Amino acid sequence: DTAVSQTPKYLVTQMGNDKSIKCEQNLGHDTMYWYKQDSKKFLKIMFSYNNKELIINETVPNRFSPKSPDKAHLNLHINSLELGDSAVYFCASRPGGASGANVLTFGAGSRLTVL
Amino acid sequence: DAKTTQPTSMDCAEGRAANLPCNHSTISGNEYVYWYRQIHSQGPQYIIHGLKNNETNEMASLIITEDRKSSTLILPHATLRDTAVYYCIVRIFSLTSGTYKYIFGTGTRLKVLA
Repeated sequence: DTAVSQTPKYLVTQMGNDKSIKCEQNLGHDTMYWYKQDSKKFLKIMFSYNNKELIINETVPNRFSPKSPDKAHLNLHINSLELGDSAVYFCASRPGGASGANVLTFGAGSRLTVL
Repeated sequence: DAKTTQPTSMDCAEGRAANLPCNHSTISGNEYVYWYRQIHSQGPQYIIHGLKNNETNEMASLIITEDRKSSTLILPHATLRDTAVYYCIVRIFSLTSGTYKYIFGTGTRLKVLA
C-alpha cells in the first residue's frame, strides 16, 4: 500500500524518559512534516524536511530532535518527556514544487501519553 | 498564527447539503485554500483545494468568493459517515524557510443527524 506510516501508534511513558516516533512514506515525496495535535484538536506544525534537510523549525523546544536519514523517512526523538508533550503527533508528506496540487498526505498519527 | 476562522460546530440532516464556511480575510493572491477532514482521531484526509475558481470533485465542491476572503465547502448529500472535524487551511510561502507551510484553523465539528 502506498502511504505515510508511523510507528508506534500508541506510546505511554513516564516523565523524564526519552522516546522516538518513526515515519516512513513510500509516495516518493520530497518534503515531510511533523504536526502536533493537542487535546483541543488544534494541529500545529513543528518541523519540515526537504530531501533530508531541515527547512522549518517552529520554535519547538530543543528536547525535540527530528532526524531524516533519507527523504523517505522522518523520525522524531523527544528527550526528557514532560506532561505537556502528551498529544497526537502526525507525520505528513507532499511532493516538492509550487503546484497547488501538491497536497499533504498524513499518517494515522502516534498518540503519546506522558504520565 | 491561524490564518482561517471557522464555526466551532454545525449540524446537518442526513441527505441534505452541508455548507461549511471559512473566513480567510488576510489571504494573499497566490495562497491556496485547502480543506481536510479528520474522522475521530485518524489522520487528516484531503478533500479539495482551490486558488480563485470554484472547484468540484467526487467528494465536495469549493466555492471561493471573488475577493478570496472567504470560502465554503459543500458536501452535496451528507451521510452519517461525513461526521468529522473539517479543517480549512491556507498554504503560505515562508520566506525564511523558502518553503510552504500549511496552516490549520481550529476546524468545524460537523455532526450529520439521522
